[in-house]
Amino acid sequence: GDSVTQMEGPVTLSEEAFLTINCTYTATGYPSLFWYVQYPGEGLQLLLKATKADDKGSNKGFEATYRKETTSFHLEKGSVQVSDSAVYFCALTLYTDKLIFGTGTRLQVFP
Amino acid sequence: NAGVMQNPRHLVRRRGQEARLRCSPVKGHSHVYWYRQLPEEGLKFMVYLQKENIIDESGMPKERFSAEFPKEGPSILRIQQVVRGDSAAYFCASSPQDFDPETQYFGPGTRLLVL
Repeated sequence: GDSVTQMEGPVTLSEEAFLTINCTYTATGYPSLFWYVQYPGEGLQLLLKATKADDKGSNKGFEATYRKETTSFHLEKGSVQVSDSAVYFCALTLYTDKLIFGTGTRLQVFP
Repeated sequence: NAGVMQNPRHLVRRRGQEARLRCSPVKGHSHVYWYRQLPEEGLKFMVYLQKENIIDESGMPKERFSAEFPKEGPSILRIQQVVRGDSAAYFCASSPQDFDPETQYFGPGTRLLVL
């Protein structure tokens, strides 16, 4: 079935380090891909999205490129801040009313 | 400008009791979605409701679970005769129209612990 696989956390980085969180997917068709972020005590927030191959989603310094050939949608940021500490979820949808999520990756950024 | 509210935020129940989880959508939103996150797993879709109607319950366990979204008041996810395996985080999301992640807002979740 359709699924999303994320790298396990926690990912621990120093401030200003480069971030990569890996996400790969399996889907029967051409999904739309998303990254969500959950800050402590809050609900999930849509961070960025891409709806077709080679699209690049970007927001708040984060980027992810829809790679059909590798079925990947890795999240990157050039210089993380302490305020980026959160749980990040990769997700897909196949034109239905539901999202399919990965397990989430906790990011901890230290000063 | 209140977002999606869920209560309680934490709920402890003993096996066999009932759990009622409430979700108040963003004002003006008429579509509600429930997701469950079991330990070490991703969020899994449970049910999609519009006011007074269940649109898609394909992710809902067949027994003990029910959901409603009445004309007035919050959406309720009800779990009867809870078992330890029901321990999870339950997230609600709302949107003003048909499914669109860009207009869908998630609540902070209810953490259910079954003893």
